[in-house]
Amino acid sequence: KAGVTQTPRYLIKTRGQQVTLSCSPISGHRSVSWYQQTPGQGLQFLFEYFSETQRNKGNFPGRFSGRQFSNSRSEMNVSTLELGDSALYLCASSLAGGGSYEQYFGPGTRLTVT
Amino acid sequence: AQKITQTQPGMFVQEKEAVTLDCTYDTSDPSYGLFWYKQPSSGEMIFLIYQGSYDQQNATEGRYSLNFQKARKSANLVISASQLGDSAMYFCAMREGGNNDMRFGAGTRLTVKP
Repeated sequence: KAGVTQTPRYLIKTRGQQVTLSCSPISGHRSVSWYQQTPGQGLQFLFEYFSETQRNKGNFPGRFSGRQFSNSRSEMNVSTLELGDSALYLCASSLAGGGSYEQYFGPGTRLTVT
Repeated sequence: AQKITQTQPGMFVQEKEAVTLDCTYDTSDPSYGLFWYKQPSSGEMIFLIYQGSYDQQNATEGRYSLNFQKARKSANLVISASQLGDSAMYFCAMREGGNNDMRFGAGTRLTVKP
């Protein structure tokens, strides 16, 4: 069974631009979560989608948004990029959300904002 | 609010010895799950082990075991017979029963010495 895939793996953008990251979950998984990882803030939860609905959102500004498609693939978008948005963005999928369902992570997209 | 604390920024262990990575958590929800993940330098998060708050026995997965002390709100990871490939960052995480966002600790960098 294929794991979680994320594209692109690396991205360089300039301040003010916008970016879209893509995540394909493990087949059969309906929950997709996004995390931002930085050396200073560690791993922070961005949002979680289940069956095309956002169920939870972390404490991030409205510039961060996402969506999920009917095939469970998910995208996240960051508009008006700032230098502080440079981070590793991780996507994770699970069968369902909550409880004991472990999340399986993709390799991440490393975003550099210059 | 959930809170995960990993007090050991870095740990060293001799190859073939056992090591314990500490994790304490704080929650008022009686239903929660505790997770440990490994993150090698490649960046991908690898699921290691899960412990549910109602589980009577400590979880084990191969060389990994979780020392769950509910009253103390601790969930320490024990790695037996350390291998050089165990060198990585290790994250403790928690998700409350009805919630879908997973909260992570700051991580512990484990270095296995030959």
